[in-house]
Amino acid sequence: GAVVSQHPSRVICKSGTSVKIECRSLDFQATTMFWYRQFPKQSLMLMATSNEGSKATYEQGVEKDKFLINHASLTLSTLTVTSAHPEDSSFYICSGQRQGPADTQYFGPGTRLTVL
Amino acid sequence: AQKVTQAQTEISVVEKEDVTLDCVYETRDTTYYLFWYKQPPSGELVFLIRRNSFDEQNEISGRYSWNFQKSTSSFNFTITASQVVDSAVYFCALSEGWQTSYDKVIFGPGTSLSVIP
Repeated sequence: GAVVSQHPSRVICKSGTSVKIECRSLDFQATTMFWYRQFPKQSLMLMATSNEGSKATYEQGVEKDKFLINHASLTLSTLTVTSAHPEDSSFYICSGQRQGPADTQYFGPGTRLTVL
Repeated sequence: AQKVTQAQTEISVVEKEDVTLDCVYETRDTTYYLFWYKQPPSGELVFLIRRNSFDEQNEISGRYSWNFQKSTSSFNFTITASQVVDSAVYFCALSEGWQTSYDKVIFGPGTSLSVIP
C-alpha cells in the first residue's frame, strides 16, 4: 500500500510556457503533500508543503507565484511551474503523508522537466 | 536547526564486499525520526527504514542493517555481500514533527554507491 503516482513522468517545454505536474495518492488519503526539487547529482530540496483545502507553505527562497501548488483533494496535488525558464529544469518529486505527525512520507516516481 | 551529513560522496566496492554508509545528524529535538532512502538510476525514491529517536535497537533486514547511536548522533547503514543491484544513491533523512501538524523531512546530500561486478 501507500503508492503515489506522478504525471507526466517526463516533460519538455519551451521557455515561457507553463507546466502542470500532478501528484496522486492511489491507495491512501494524503492529508499533507510535499513537493521537492532535485538538481542533477544533488539532494532533494523541499519546495513547499500543502494541506488539503488550504494554501501551501513555501520554503524560503521558493517563489510562490512561480510554483503554484493546489491540493484540491485528499488524493491530488498539482504543481504548476509558470513561465518556465531553463533554470527550472529539474527533477520534481512529490510525496504524500497519510496522517499527522510521525507518519512516513511516500514518494512519487518523479517528473523530469526540461525547459528549452 | 536540523542537518544531515553524509560524508561519503561516492563509494565503489567490488561485488560481495560489505559496505557501510555513514550518516550524522543534528537536531535540538529529543523526539525525531530518521530514514534511509535508496534512489536507483530510474530516480524513484525507495523507502528503506524509519527509526524513531526512542528506539536505539539495531535493525537487520536481509543484507541490510542499521546502527543507530544517539551518543554520536549517527545512523549508519551497512549492506552485507553487496550486489550490482545495490548501485544507487542512498539518502539519509531526518524529520522532527511531533509538535507540528506535518513533518518536514530534511535530506542529507546522498552517497552514490557503485558495486562493481
